[in-house]
Amino acid sequence: DQQVKQNSPSLSVQEGRISILNCDYTNSMFDYFLWYKKYPAEGPTFLISISSIKDKNEDGRFTVFLNKSAKHLSLHIVPSQPGDSAVYFCAASDPEFNKFYFGSGTKLNVKP
Amino acid sequence: EAQVTQNPRYLITVTGKKLTVTCSQNMNHEYMSWYRQDPGLGLRQIYYSMNVEVTDKGDVPEGYKVSRKEKRNFPLILESPSPNQTSLYFCASSTGTGGNEQFFGPGTRLTVL
Repeated sequence: DQQVKQNSPSLSVQEGRISILNCDYTNSMFDYFLWYKKYPAEGPTFLISISSIKDKNEDGRFTVFLNKSAKHLSLHIVPSQPGDSAVYFCAASDPEFNKFYFGSGTKLNVKP
Repeated sequence: EAQVTQNPRYLITVTGKKLTVTCSQNMNHEYMSWYRQDPGLGLRQIYYSMNVEVTDKGDVPEGYKVSRKEKRNFPLILESPSPNQTSLYFCASSTGTGGNEQFFGPGTRLTVL
């Protein structure tokens, strides 16, 4: 059973608007959560992370929110740009086993 | 330039023919990992290594082997490939786990006939 889930396979937004990508997890022992962005024919690249002791982390247009009680995190992109069109993966770090768990990804399409 | 390289980028092979996918990083990272990406399943960790001579199983290790004889290299070995190992494979490295950014290679597209 997947420990990290991204239930929306795709999302389409208009340029300039907000994109919200969601992620749910099952293991309350995860210590960090990370977002990666992937373009076709390339490897994923790191976007932003958040420690489990925080509830928000911001980096430019990207903000990640963590709701530990709901075991839910979200990535907000404001404003969205066409170059943000990519697949976004949510990942979690398991400190007990030194492993990473990834979600299935959400394909974001930002329309000009 | 800091990077993770993988070879080959594309490979078509037949069932049972042993193959190795190489991975090398030039960032002196301790942690290295192999993932496979399949539609609807995202990235799943196959094996990882905390340092030289230290390797451990990820979530989907069956049918794979790895070795970590040098810090920079982390090859993935398929002793007897089967069609269900047809996938897109990524190698990654980082200074450690937790919030440490993983640097990914460009991927290897493997098809097993």
